[in-house]
Amino acid sequence: DTGVSQDPRHKITKRGQNVTFRCDPISEHNRLYWYRQTLGQGPEFLTYFQNEAQLEKSRLLSDRFSAERPKGSFSTLEIQRTEQGDSAMYLCASSSGQAYNSPLHFGNGTRLTVT
Amino acid sequence: AQKVTQAQTEISVVEKEDVTLDCVYETRDTTYYLFWYKQPPSGELVFLIRRNSFDEQNEISGRYSWNFQKSTSSFNFTITASQVVDSAVYFCALTLSNTGNQFYFGTGTSLTVIP
Repeated sequence: DTGVSQDPRHKITKRGQNVTFRCDPISEHNRLYWYRQTLGQGPEFLTYFQNEAQLEKSRLLSDRFSAERPKGSFSTLEIQRTEQGDSAMYLCASSSGQAYNSPLHFGNGTRLTVT
Repeated sequence: AQKVTQAQTEISVVEKEDVTLDCVYETRDTTYYLFWYKQPPSGELVFLIRRNSFDEQNEISGRYSWNFQKSTSSFNFTITASQVVDSAVYFCALTLSNTGNQFYFGTGTSLTVIP
């Protein structure tokens, strides 16, 4: 069990640029989640995959955000035309078993700074 | 609507003191799970405990104990004989059986243990 891996750890970009983050979940986990965490707040749900299917998206996920999980393995989260308000820690998590009672296993996150 | 409240933003204790972190939740669902996570300075959220809504038995794990009371909608976390390594942000979270894809996190309590 190598844990959830996220890349990069840090990303600094200029407003208006596009960025893409990658998440590699624990290999036997079929569910993958993206959360966003801003300073002093708890993680906020963005989206969720079961295998390759994106089953739920938060209203926080504007049309500038897109997530994919091809072949039900790793996932990418892309933000287009970044804004300063997108600066946050982006957390990926994975789990197995029943959705509502299985603990999430989180990665170290990608910290995005938009200047 | 679902909500988790952690009223204590920051707590400081001297090493070896006991400390209790409060968590109050709101939901109209009768089947739900509660979780505690630890987020050390490294950033990765670490799962500590899960408790379902039908099990009010308190739990002890080493220096950690949890007190679940449905009557007051609280799920408090006590660290006995605190250590410097306990310094972290602690999050309480709620999931529901009918919307299990989403974890509702509180805003966290930052605990500093002073040597």
